[in-house]
Amino acid sequence: AQSVTQLDSQVPVFEEAPVELRCNYSSSVSVYLFWYVQYPNQGLQLLLKYLSGSTLVKGINGFEAEFNKSQTSFHLRKPSVHISDTAEYFCAVSAPIYNQGGKLIFGQGTELSVKP
Amino acid sequence: AAGVIQSPRHLIKEKRETATLKCYPIPRHDTVYWYQQGPGQDPQFLISFYEKMQSDKGSIPDRFSAQQFSDYHSELNMSSLELGDSALYFCASSLGSGHYEQYFGPGTRLTVT
Repeated sequence: AQSVTQLDSQVPVFEEAPVELRCNYSSSVSVYLFWYVQYPNQGLQLLLKYLSGSTLVKGINGFEAEFNKSQTSFHLRKPSVHISDTAEYFCAVSAPIYNQGGKLIFGQGTELSVKP
Repeated sequence: AAGVIQSPRHLIKEKRETATLKCYPIPRHDTVYWYQQGPGQDPQFLISFYEKMQSDKGSIPDRFSAQQFSDYHSELNMSSLELGDSALYFCASSLGSGHYEQYFGPGTRLTVT
């Protein structure tokens, strides 16, 4: 079974400052890793994913994340945030479809609040 | 680009009533996932279908059932509704085998009174 822990429930930050949202996972099998963003009263939008290959992945809206297998982490970063980045961010893992059907296991979410 | 469509967007039901939620995946996507997100909670996996067959099952109550039809749309049927069923229900679709990105619909907000 897999599990995901997002280490910060809330992250307040000033506009144009850098931000890091932390995510750790545990799994007995190889997993795929994702970050989703959820704006108020909206669905989940995929920010970026790690399936294999380069451990540094770039996503939409200037976000990037680094997969660290030894530390079982997949932290999300952005060098300069905007007010419009205020949202809930979810880290998620899935096991291969042939193994466990590909369902997503989500972390508890991190509320990013960008202040002017 | 076409996205996942869910209907209705909002639904209000009373306790012990039934509800049916519909999901229309992105064209050519053959896999559908259902998730439940309670207030202030992370989404929880309910059930999934691949090529019209149930592929995985999560923490879905026995009062709930779902299926995927020949046109790949899916319906989640919920009976004997309870107050605790009030939540946002998401459907996500993917291309299935070999494709792991799931694309989420806008969700159906179910309120049970």
